[in-house]
Amino acid sequence: DAKTTQPNSMESNEEEPVHLPCNHSTISGTDYIHWYRQLPSQGPEYVIHGLTSNVNNRMASLAIAEDRKSSTLILHRATLRDAAVYYCILTPPGAQKLVFGQGTRLTINP
Amino acid sequence: SQTIHQWPATLVQPVGSPLSLECTVEGTSNPNLYWYRQAAGRGLQLLFYSVGIGQISSEVPQNLSASRPQDRQFILSSKKLLLSDSGFYLCAWSVGSGSDTQYFGPGTRLTVL
Repeated sequence: DAKTTQPNSMESNEEEPVHLPCNHSTISGTDYIHWYRQLPSQGPEYVIHGLTSNVNNRMASLAIAEDRKSSTLILHRATLRDAAVYYCILTPPGAQKLVFGQGTRLTINP
Repeated sequence: SQTIHQWPATLVQPVGSPLSLECTVEGTSNPNLYWYRQAAGRGLQLLFYSVGIGQISSEVPQNLSASRPQDRQFILSSKKLLLSDSGFYLCAWSVGSGSDTQYFGPGTRLTVL
């Protein structure tokens, strides 16, 4: 499984944008980049995914580097409810499993 | 819309006792089903997945087993619990042939004493 590297923790302030980085230098050409988050005492929640182009949805934006060796999850205006562990996961086509790393623990200050 | 249920929400069991955790999915047919475990302070680890009734793939050898008696029902079992079985057990579902979004249930927090 291709490996991802994320900072252990990040901190931001409420109502400010947050940029969560993920390095995946060994990504293959067909790996999807998925982001999930896990709020305290809950199961993980899908956030966004992409392959090559940048993606936007109601929760976040995903910016993918041109060489696909890194990506950034962007929360445009953080709220206290965005405090969670964010996981960046690479999934090959047809993969039946998600391989979770340690993720980034995001703290939002009021 | 699709929903996923897990029960019980919390469970405290003595070492050596049996275990049965149940997961059911509503609103979709022929889902892929998954059991994950998250030990305290650790990441999520895939235990089992199933692409159809009676089809179970095991990711980690251990004293746990899984069964899928119906299309939208996934059961995690153990004959004799160990202390190391404590953790947060999560069921998830997806559709498609893989690399698709997985949707997680609320989880069962198991404490083995």
